[in-house]
Amino acid sequence: RKEVEQDPGPFNVPEGATVAFNCTYSNSASQSFFWYRQDCRKEPKLLMSVYSSGNEDGRFTAQLNRASQYISLLIRDSKLSDSATYLCVVNKGAAGNKLTFGGGTRVLVKP
Amino acid sequence: GAVVSQHPSRVICKSGTSVKIECRSLDFQATTMFWYRQFPKKSLMLMATSNEGSKATYEQGVEKDKFLINHASLTLSTLTVTSAHPEDSSFYICSATDDLSNEKLFFGSGTQLSVL
Repeated sequence: RKEVEQDPGPFNVPEGATVAFNCTYSNSASQSFFWYRQDCRKEPKLLMSVYSSGNEDGRFTAQLNRASQYISLLIRDSKLSDSATYLCVVNKGAAGNKLTFGGGTRVLVKP
Repeated sequence: GAVVSQHPSRVICKSGTSVKIECRSLDFQATTMFWYRQFPKKSLMLMATSNEGSKATYEQGVEKDKFLINHASLTLSTLTVTSAHPEDSSFYICSATDDLSNEKLFFGSGTQLSVL
């Protein structure tokens, strides 16, 4: 089983619609969770951290479910500019605190 | 905000040559730098972790003699792909942190390596 697993997509989303997707992680000791956004052949950029109580940043809402070991990202009122690959990132919690990246979920927002 | 400069952004080389990629932290001292590679439509895969002044720690399956990492100063780390082959063609990205928790990562813009 991969340490961090994501549905690769693509999720084809009409402009203005809502899209949500999950990411599962295997290490129950994981401490920190993040969503990054990556555009084609560009560096990943931090979208938001994921807090235990869930958190929202504008049109983006992140949730953490420790019992089932997954995090989710919901995008409301999708914009064309939201088209990107969304990377789930988990801090393994081990010494050195290396981050592990999921394979990414590709989202395509269409007019 | 913190900036990490990586160059070259793109390099095309002949098989058998060596290629050096630089990663610089511009406005902070990077105690730790990470090197990743990414194949098309695949996730970022951590290759190695380098700490200033010490030998890099390589992930399982990454050949340390092929991917030479030097982190001689707090602002510069280099990755040298030695005797490059077509299968080494990939997108290489560095990231740096000045935070002991290693959670605040700042990424370089990546280097697309094409080996002919």
